[in-house]
Amino acid sequence: DTAVSQTPKYLVTQMGNDKSIKCEQNLGHDTMYWYKQDSKKFLKIMFSYNNKELIINETVPNRFSPKSPDKAHLNLHINSLELGDSAVYFCASSSNSGANVLTFGAGSRLTVL
Amino acid sequence: TQLLEQSPQFLSIQEGENLTVYCNSSSVFSSLQWYRQEPGEGPVLLVTVVTGGEVKKLKRLTFQFGDARKDSSLHITAAQPGDTGLYLCAGDQGEGTALIFGKGTTLSVSS
Repeated sequence: DTAVSQTPKYLVTQMGNDKSIKCEQNLGHDTMYWYKQDSKKFLKIMFSYNNKELIINETVPNRFSPKSPDKAHLNLHINSLELGDSAVYFCASSSNSGANVLTFGAGSRLTVL
Repeated sequence: TQLLEQSPQFLSIQEGENLTVYCNSSSVFSSLQWYRQEPGEGPVLLVTVVTGGEVKKLKRLTFQFGDARKDSSLHITAAQPGDTGLYLCAGDQGEGTALIFGKGTTLSVSS
């Protein structure tokens, strides 16, 4: 069973479109994250939710809107896509106990044309 | 400003060689983690170091956490082609914060 699953794996779209990426974790973790990995492989935090509550929002344009319907799901909706949004988006989760260890999904590669 | 400086960025070596990757910061971390990422996949945790001066071994990989908990190193002995991948260090600044990642080291081991 996949621990953190995100869909779709690949997304190719035109500038100006709106798209969503979904994420689900079956680990019983309390905290979920969205990270963006750019073309140079740098991983940067975008958002973090703890038990459906937004706790981290890192200077991300408001075209990006996360939504957590329950603690096992964290979706990312992006409006008015721009070329610079092209990247791999990773969902991750962690438990509230012990060290802040992340379990990542396999990533969603977004290409904006 | 990059909080975690990771070096080298790229490393291309022959099978059997040894290598060390460094992760440095001016900040103190409650823990420091090392991840490995393969193409098309998400990063996977290798190890977490928590105590200053701690050394952990994972087969041919040795991880060290600096005494002041500001830096860490990953040493690979007798590298093999299967070690090829992107190695990422990540610092934990404590409750309510997200992991801060270094820029990664792309390792290529050829036979």
